[in-house]
Amino acid sequence: NFMLTQPHSVSESPGKTVTISCTRSSGSIASNYVQWYQQRPGSAPTTVIYEDNQRPSGVPDRFSGSIDSSSNSASLTISGLKTEDEADYYCQSYDSSISFGGGTKLTVL
Amino acid sequence: QVQLQESGPGLVKPSETLSLTCTVSGGSISSYYWSWIRQPPGKGLEWIGYIYYSGSTNYNPSLKSRVTISVDTSKNQFSLKLSSVTAADTAVYYCARGYFDWSPTQSSYYYYMDVWGKGTTVTVSS
Repeated sequence: NFMLTQPHSVSESPGKTVTISCTRSSGSIASNYVQWYQQRPGSAPTTVIYEDNQRPSGVPDRFSGSIDSSSNSASLTISGLKTEDEADYYCQSYDSSISFGGGTKLTVL
Repeated sequence: QVQLQESGPGLVKPSETLSLTCTVSGGSISSYYWSWIRQPPGKGLEWIGYIYYSGSTNYNPSLKSRVTISVDTSKNQFSLKLSSVTAADTAVYYCARGYFDWSPTQSSYYYYMDVWGKGTTVTVSS
């Protein structure tokens, strides 16, 4: 199977835009859909992006997902950052088994 | 709106079997996949396994020898058993509903979790 690698942490100011990457170790990132989950401190994860770039109802359009075959990575972009976006973010994909990235802590300061 | 609630002992002794149940409310357990995921203190998410309402399962290869997931459609519940536990199994355990489908554009299956329970903390200690 493959691994998904994320940066440990990123930080940005309110109102700005931040991008979190998720790099697949082997096989093409485009071969299997990527999902993104948000986990606020002390809470369960929630889905913010599924099928690479789809938003569940209720997730603001400030959240967007994309994939880049040239870097074999998926990305979660959050624009117009708010303090409430401060959380851990996990990417996930499936290829006969479910794989999670290690998570990225987003600090909005 | 479907809701999931984990239940079970919060403390398990080393070498014993951890048993948790997830109760599904606000919707039927039928026609969906159901997952268990755990998160050790201060660490990331780890997939344990999933079950289809019909009973077919798929487990994380690293845990497969110790894991059993079962479903009881009459009670709208599914369960996790993890045997021979050690301190390394101390974690918050989440149940989640899974969405599993075939992507014609990618010629591959995909799976993701769309509804999560709040999680339950299990500590392995004597």
